[in-house]
Amino acid sequence: DTEVTQTPKHLVMGMTNKKSLKCEQHMGHRAMYWYKQKAKKPPELMFVYSYEKLSINESVPSRFSPECPNSSLLNLHLHALQPEDSALYLCASSHRVDDKEKLFFGSGTQLSVL
Amino acid sequence: DAKTTQPNSMESNEEEPVHLPCNHSTISGTDYIHWYRQLPSQGPEYVIHGLTSNVNNRMASLAIAEDRKSSTLILHRATLRDAAVYYCILKGRRSNYQLIWGAGTKLIIKP
Repeated sequence: DTEVTQTPKHLVMGMTNKKSLKCEQHMGHRAMYWYKQKAKKPPELMFVYSYEKLSINESVPSRFSPECPNSSLLNLHLHALQPEDSALYLCASSHRVDDKEKLFFGSGTQLSVL
Repeated sequence: DAKTTQPNSMESNEEEPVHLPCNHSTISGTDYIHWYRQLPSQGPEYVIHGLTSNVNNRMASLAIAEDRKSSTLILHRATLRDAAVYYCILKGRRSNYQLIWGAGTKLIIKP
């Protein structure tokens, strides 16, 4: 199994809603990532978890709250988002954080904030 | 900061080789060169990576210039399924081992 599974595939939410994005992998990877991708742009790193501990937060606003309950799961909790937060949210995993390791990406959650 | 420069788009005919260039003149001696591609409506997919020597795998070849200031991704026989955005990326200690993405080249394959 070389898949990273993200749910839901699409999400529409209002600015006062609370929602969560979920990501799961069963490859035994110990590094997991959240990326944000705007249309026609490359992905931008948001958070990195290494061995279930948050190791990198790229100055992401607190309305995005990541959580890594165990080595296979990664969540992104959303609260009080703005319309400009509408984007494709990608989860990825790798064996570990390293310059040679390749990342496996999920298909993403397309988020629209109204 | 290290960064990569790629053409916005390229066209190629089906079943012909494709050479996708990338410039990375500020690369450090320890940065790896990675390539990922993103098909429509999908997440990025790893293609290949290298440090100094040319690399081959089942998907592509990576040719790295001797001074490492540029590299070329080679698809030996492009198919319609290879139509995607191809990203040239640096990864190393300077970036905390995170991917530094280029803007990407949109590859169009003509049947």
